[in-house]
Amino acid sequence: DQQVKQNSPSLSVQEGRISILNCDYTNSMFDYFLWYKKYPAEGPTFLISISSIKDKNEDGRFTVFLNKSAKHLSLHIVPSQPGDSAVYFCAAGPYSSASKIIFGSGTRLSIRP
Amino acid sequence: DGGITQSPKYLFRKEGQNVTLSCEQNLNHDAMYWYRQDPGQGLRLIYYSQIVNDFQKGDIAEGYSVSREKKESFPLTVTSAQKNPTAFYLCASSIIGLADYNEQFFGPGTRLTVL
Repeated sequence: DQQVKQNSPSLSVQEGRISILNCDYTNSMFDYFLWYKKYPAEGPTFLISISSIKDKNEDGRFTVFLNKSAKHLSLHIVPSQPGDSAVYFCAAGPYSSASKIIFGSGTRLSIRP
Repeated sequence: DGGITQSPKYLFRKEGQNVTLSCEQNLNHDAMYWYRQDPGQGLRLIYYSQIVNDFQKGDIAEGYSVSREKKESFPLTVTSAQKNPTAFYLCASSIIGLADYNEQFFGPGTRLTVL
């Protein structure tokens, strides 16, 4: 039973447009949510996070939105750039406990010219 | 350069053999983790360690063993008891703090194939 789901295995977006990656979770006890980015042949790198006391967190071109009632979060990338082509993992769990973080299966984002 | 190294990048083993995957970090992190990634699935936690000479089982520890004799090193042994060992293995580390979430830093991974 997957507690963190990324239902779109892949997404293709035109350069300059907005990329929206979605993630759903089932455990209402989760209070911390993260996005990691992974390039081929490299390990995932931390991108952005949000705690359950917020509904939005912004960092440059990246914004994460959290809808607790729907148990849904999304990552917006505006504008999308070629270097954004990667696999994006959503993760969720309790705050201050990295060992309890659950990762989604990832969405492969491709930015086309 | 601080970071996490995993070796080898690709590993092949015959069925029934044990194999050890290396993970070293020079970030001075207390905590280290091993994850497994299979196609279409998220990263699943195998083992983690928060201090030298101590480690805890994750969600899928069966068929695996670890040791933490040094702060910098957290090798993972895939034993012959692991039913489906072919996968991509990722090692990670983080500091340990009580106040804030501590992001995990990942190595580049080792792809293990059992022939």
